[in-house]
Amino acid sequence: DGGITQSPKYLFRKEGQNVTLSCEQNLNHDAMYWYRQDPGQGLRLIYYSQIVNDFQKGDIAEGYSVSREKKESFPLTVTSAQKNPTAFYLCASSPRRGIGELFFGEGSRLTVL
Amino acid sequence: GENVEQHPSTLSVQEGDSAVIKCTYSDSASNYFPWYKQELGKRPQLIIDIRSNVGEKKDQRIAVTLNKTAKHFSLHITETQPEDSAVYFCAAEDYGGSQGNLIFGKGTKLSVKP
Repeated sequence: DGGITQSPKYLFRKEGQNVTLSCEQNLNHDAMYWYRQDPGQGLRLIYYSQIVNDFQKGDIAEGYSVSREKKESFPLTVTSAQKNPTAFYLCASSPRRGIGELFFGEGSRLTVL
Repeated sequence: GENVEQHPSTLSVQEGDSAVIKCTYSDSASNYFPWYKQELGKRPQLIIDIRSNVGEKKDQRIAVTLNKTAKHFSLHITETQPEDSAVYFCAAEDYGGSQGNLIFGKGTKLSVKP
């Protein structure tokens, strides 16, 4: 069953802790993305990757880090430097950057206590 | 870079009525404009898209129109049904800052009352 899988679905962490959100796709897509969704703010791009071992900052990259060691995987780390980390995080992929439809995962809701 | 404005932020219609959501964009180089639907607690999914070489595209009860001169595009839903209730996002490709990535509007929460 092809698709994009995010885990965990819900995550609670204490302030000051780094957390890593997982994103895996078996669609053989080259491009992967991380978006942050806040109420009334739409989807804002955090990081994107066009190819293995390469990634670029999006509009709100401060306080986040990513890696792309495998084509299928694009984990996002929310670091303690992110001032307001509580949000809904969406991972997406597309065959190539800038080409056509984005396929989204189910999302991960992070709550920092 | 690209900036996308979406209106209204909330929209309530009676079942069977039409709904229209409008977006404006700033980068005249943008040529791809998708619409995503996000039902409560679910992932956003593409429902229709349009490229700048056409002015209108239809798919059953939904249609999108594009006015490149005015830099705006709209989603039209006819004969609305309760299952159309969701948040709708418009987007445009950014050829400036994000070099081909999608820039999303802030979303419109559509409620269809039975």
